[in-house]
Amino acid sequence: AQSVTQPDIHITVSEGASLELRCNYSYGATPYLFWYVQSPGQGLQLLLKYFSGDTLVQGIKGFEAEFKRSQSSFNLRKPSVHWSDAAEYFCAVGTMKTSYDKVIFGPGTSLSVIP
Amino acid sequence: IAGITQAPTSQILAAGRRMTLRCTQDMRHNAMYWYRQDLGLGLRLIHYSNTAGTTGKGEVPDGYSVSRANTDDFPLTLASAVPSQTSVYFCASSAGTSGGDEQFFGPGTRLTVL
Repeated sequence: AQSVTQPDIHITVSEGASLELRCNYSYGATPYLFWYVQSPGQGLQLLLKYFSGDTLVQGIKGFEAEFKRSQSSFNLRKPSVHWSDAAEYFCAVGTMKTSYDKVIFGPGTSLSVIP
Repeated sequence: IAGITQAPTSQILAAGRRMTLRCTQDMRHNAMYWYRQDLGLGLRLIHYSNTAGTTGKGEVPDGYSVSRANTDDFPLTLASAVPSQTSVYFCASSAGTSGGDEQFFGPGTRLTVL
């Protein structure tokens, strides 16, 4: 069965520090992979998406993610975090050829940024 | 630009009552979805619709029903609410029906069932 894990429930970083959020997935084929961000009291917004091609994907707000097939991972990174990046981050897998083609979301990682 | 609107923003409901959460999109997207968000569980799909007139069950459909009479509206009904349905509910839409399509989310409805 398809699944998504995000090992870190909560991460705290200092403003200006680098960030890496981990994501691992289980899926039988090459999946669509997503990172969404949820600001407090808001719905989710797409940061970036991968399906094929270059394994390093650039997204909005200075985020990037790298697909590593051998590790079944799709970690999100940002070189310098801003206070406005404090939010909940969700990794997701887009499935295909199942009873319905839908997206499975991980449990989320909450990011706090300290000045 | 409205995107997806949801109503109400929040609601406190007595157990056993009927409740309909409203969702409207103005992007003419084919697919629409209802998720519930619970701490530590992420988002779980309740029901979906790939096009007007069709609906399907997601991961956690029990106790919920949906309809899709037109492209824009996708209401979610709790026929007889129970406390375990206390959650934040998100409506989303996507232009296509593939698992690779970006989903656009509404602001959510916070529902408390007492």
